[in-house]
Amino acid sequence: DGGITQSPKYLFRKEGQNVTLSCEQNLNHDAMYWYRQDPGQGLRLIYYSQIVNDFQKGDIAEGYSVSREKKESFPLTVTSAQKNPTAFYLCASTPPLTGVEDVTEAFFGQGTRLTVV
Amino acid sequence: AQTVTQSQPEMSVQEAETVTLSCTYDTSESNYYLFWYKQPPSRQMILVIRQEAYKQQNATENRFSVNFQKAAKSFSLKISDSQLGDTAMYFCAYPNNNAGNMLTFGGGTRLMVKP
Repeated sequence: DGGITQSPKYLFRKEGQNVTLSCEQNLNHDAMYWYRQDPGQGLRLIYYSQIVNDFQKGDIAEGYSVSREKKESFPLTVTSAQKNPTAFYLCASTPPLTGVEDVTEAFFGQGTRLTVV
Repeated sequence: AQTVTQSQPEMSVQEAETVTLSCTYDTSESNYYLFWYKQPPSRQMILVIRQEAYKQQNATENRFSVNFQKAAKSFSLKISDSQLGDTAMYFCAYPNNNAGNMLTFGGGTRLMVKP
């Protein structure tokens, strides 16, 4: 079955550590996204990538880094520069657009819960 | 920049009754889409319904319908015959098709359906 897989489901980070969250999709989607969700709040965009080897900062990119070496994979690294990393992280992807004004729904993974210990 | 506002942090409804969740947005675009997503306790994001701004007719998906008021920039979600499985966070979202379809989300409304 096609879908988006995020791993791990739960992740614990010590102060000063970098950690990497995995996101893999087998939907053949071009665009991928990382969102952060804090308790009781909406989702905020961290980074997005429309094609391989290219990515753009979202609204809250500070303290995070990404790579897009393969179409299927878009890992997110939470660096020690991110002072408040405890949150729920969601990865998403969208299919290629077929027209100038075409818009498609986003498909989401099941998320990673990151906690600083 | 596009913004999306949901003014009701929490709502509750009795099973089988109807509830309406509010959403307002701001955009300078004339043609766009709007989405409602549901996030149940499993935290999986599920698309509930979508509306295309150039369509006059309000979108409907079974028990879910929208009231889209383009001039007022309002996009409310009506859930009819509420079921216990409708208990979830609901997010209004605006896709920016000038930025790879990235979604701008409202802050969400937590809906509790009571038996």
